[in-house]
Amino acid sequence: GAVVSQHPSRVICKSGTSVKIECRSLDFQATTMFWYRQFPKKSLMLMATSNEGSKATYEQGVEKDKFLINHASLTLSTLTVTSAHPEDSSFYICSARETSVNQETQYFGPGTRLLVL
Amino acid sequence: SQQGEEDPQALSIQEGENATMNCSYKTSINNLQWYRQNSGRGLVHLILIRSNEREKHSGRLRVTLDTSKKSSSLLITASRAADTASYFCATAYSSASKIIFGSGTRLSIRP
Repeated sequence: GAVVSQHPSRVICKSGTSVKIECRSLDFQATTMFWYRQFPKKSLMLMATSNEGSKATYEQGVEKDKFLINHASLTLSTLTVTSAHPEDSSFYICSARETSVNQETQYFGPGTRLLVL
Repeated sequence: SQQGEEDPQALSIQEGENATMNCSYKTSINNLQWYRQNSGRGLVHLILIRSNEREKHSGRLRVTLDTSKKSSSLLITASRAADTASYFCATAYSSASKIIFGSGTRLSIRP
């Protein structure tokens, strides 16, 4: 089956620094990727839709200057949390939709746990 | 924003019993999907049911969809300890649109 990886799986950083999270589709091309955020014991909240070669589409209430998304290739999307603060600590999950095949199916990465001190 | 609400929020049953989780949503959908998430891990896709389907089976899983009531249910038969996880429904407005997750049900299976 299609595999999506995320790197790093866990990161601890100091307040004020920026953190980059990578989402890769390993064995398929993905024109569209999605970034979600999940708080403990809560559901996944869609943050933005990442489109290869164009600007990401952010959900209402998500600061695009705070959460920078770049989708420069068909297999890689990155989420950069800029000037991170403790309230940005969360579990970040990406998913990828395979280009030109069954558009209904999204494949999820294993998630990245971010802790901002 | 979340599209779906799930109930119960938490469910604890004895191993071997059946577990039923419900999902309600607000607007018309193209399809509804169920996912499982083990604690602190990524999501595993379980089953997808389209708006023109009423019931679908996959192994010990049975999913129903009632578009008139805007609700779906997930039944896990003969539960096992390994079924302990959080279960989420997710809805899509069109076949290629983003999916929005429900609030989830935390299922615990007692040995």
